[in-house]
Amino acid sequence: DQQVKQNSPSLSVQEGRISILNCDYTNSMFDYFLWYKKYPAEGPTFLISISSIKDKNEDGRFTVFLNKSAKHLSLHIVPSQPGDSAVYFCAATHSGTYKYIFGTGTRLKVLA
Amino acid sequence: KAGVTQTPRYLIKTRGQQVTLSCSPISGHRSVSWYQQTPGQGLQFLFEYFSETQRNKGNFPGRFSGRQFSNSRSEMNVSTLELGDSALYLCASSLALGTSGVNEQFFGPGTRLTVL
Repeated sequence: DQQVKQNSPSLSVQEGRISILNCDYTNSMFDYFLWYKKYPAEGPTFLISISSIKDKNEDGRFTVFLNKSAKHLSLHIVPSQPGDSAVYFCAATHSGTYKYIFGTGTRLKVLA
Repeated sequence: KAGVTQTPRYLIKTRGQQVTLSCSPISGHRSVSWYQQTPGQGLQFLFEYFSETQRNKGNFPGRFSGRQFSNSRSEMNVSTLELGDSALYLCASSLALGTSGVNEQFFGPGTRLTVL
């Protein structure tokens, strides 16, 4: 039962343009969401997060949007840079469960 | 501050053997989680420890076990290895996962386990 889904395994974007990565979830109990970036041979690195009481969180070039009614979140990267090329994972948790559910990841390639 | 370290980085075992992986969290972090990453499956949660207590466990068979020591270092053990256990095993630490406002996990580089 995949409670967190990233339906696009890969995405290619031109440098300078916007990258939009999507994530859907099924468990309405999730109340905190995170995005991680992973380079080959390294562990995932925390990027940005959002609580379910918000619908948007911004940090520099990265913005996460949460649509609770649609059980959907997205990560926007503007402008995209070649160094952003990596695998991006979204994750969700229900406070007090001490457990994160990760999506299967989206490989982003930013073309110079 | 040193990051999360995992040893060994690479491991080759044969079916039926057992393996122990080690994780040293960031100094001061008391929560340690373990994940299995396989192609196409993302990160699958194995278990989480805090102050030597397992607080949650994923849907893995009993062959997968773990423990945490008083210094917060953690080990996971897989017994009777199967070919399907070949994966990248990731450890993540957090200051106090679950405490209000504390949700960020810091990951180690992982241990690549290959079962032949």
